[in-house]
This record gives sequence, structure tokens and C-alpha cells, in this order.
Amino acid sequence: SQQGEEDPQALSIQEGENATMNCSYKTSINNLQWYRQNSGRGLVHLILIRSNEREKHSGRLRVTLDTSKKSSSLLITASRAADTASYFCATRSAGNMLTFGGGTRLMVKP
Amino acid sequence: DAGVIQSPRHEVTEMGQEVTLRCKPISGHDYLFWYRQTMMRGLELLIYFNNNVPIDDSGMPEDRFSAKMPNASFSTLKIQPSEPRDSAVYFCASSFQGEAGKLFFGSGTQLSVL
Repeated sequence: SQQGEEDPQALSIQEGENATMNCSYKTSINNLQWYRQNSGRGLVHLILIRSNEREKHSGRLRVTLDTSKKSSSLLITASRAADTASYFCATRSAGNMLTFGGGTRLMVKP
Repeated sequence: DAGVIQSPRHEVTEMGQEVTLRCKPISGHDYLFWYRQTMMRGLELLIYFNNNVPIDDSGMPEDRFSAKMPNASFSTLKIQPSEPRDSAVYFCASSFQGEAGKLFFGSGTQLSVL
């Protein structure tokens, strides 16, 4: 079963614009992670935010976490055509099971 | 490091045949996961191992699916007999406990059962 649900399911923007994807989850978590998947490839880890953190940055990526609302957002600033991919949030709860959401398909038009 | 290595990259087989997918995790990683990805169901966790021991196989869809990890550097996922609804991309991933569960994925095996 999917713990996280991404919103929107698909997003199309122009190069240079910012892209924001949201993730909602249902149960308590230890951490939340974002992954990217290029077409025909495996998932690649982007960033991890722990339950006691509220915001984290990595290059052009900014992740926020609101545990009271059980939600997270991923912001990609100054998007590039190479950012075209599917983006998944994944939550880690008790034990070591990582549960993935359905993903957001991002298309960045040059 | 070569990353997680899966083979074959593509597999086409006929219904009823046995299919074996293979995975070599990253050296030193103590967790190994098998996921299945389809358009309809997204990314599903099938089974995971810790130090070569299966911990949770509740995601394995049926008895036709089995997974083994005979040593720290090799795992297999077997489907016998295969059915068309098993068609999907199967991913293997590994992680090191100290990395708080960050997963490293292989490139996947695209399975088509005709």
C-alpha cells in the first residue's frame, strides 16, 4: 500500500521556472525521502529530511516537512530540461520499510 | 563502486515459464529490497532482507514468487510459473543501516510475460 501521495500527478513547466511537488502521508515517520526516476532507469535518491527537521536544501532542491499536517514539499528552482523525470516521495516508519508514493511526472520544456 | 547490478535488463518469456531475476547489491550494504513497478500499482515492496535473512515478505503476491539471498553479494527473485499479470519492472535496491534507509536502486529488469 502507498503511504505517500504526491500532488500533482503531472506537472509541465518552462525551463527556468520553479517546480513544486507535494507529498502527503498518513502515519508517523522517522524520515521522508525524495527520489527521482528518469525514464527507463532506477530511482535515484535526492534528499532526506528527518522528522525533527523542517527544511533542507541541496543545490537547487528545497524540501520542507510539516509533521503536524503530515506533508512535505519538494521545490526545484530554476528548472532545466534535464530535470524532466518522475519524482517520488518515500516515508520511513518503524522498522526499515520505505514506502513510496505514486510519483509526480515533471516535464520541463526547453 | 559499480552500484546495484541487476540482470537481465530485459526478459521476455511465455506464460508458464520460470523466470529468475538477479541482483548484486553494493558491497557493505546490509539491507536488500525487491520492488515491483507498474503503471497501475506504482512501486510495491515485495520483500526485504537484512544480513541475508528475509525480514518481511508480506508484499510477495503469491506462492509463485520466491526470493533468496544465499550470501551478502547475491539475491534472486524467482517466478514460477509466470503469468502475463507479472509483467512489470522489477527493481532491486540496497542500503546501509547507518544511512537512515537511503536506498540505492539498480536499473531494473523489464519483464514481459506473453
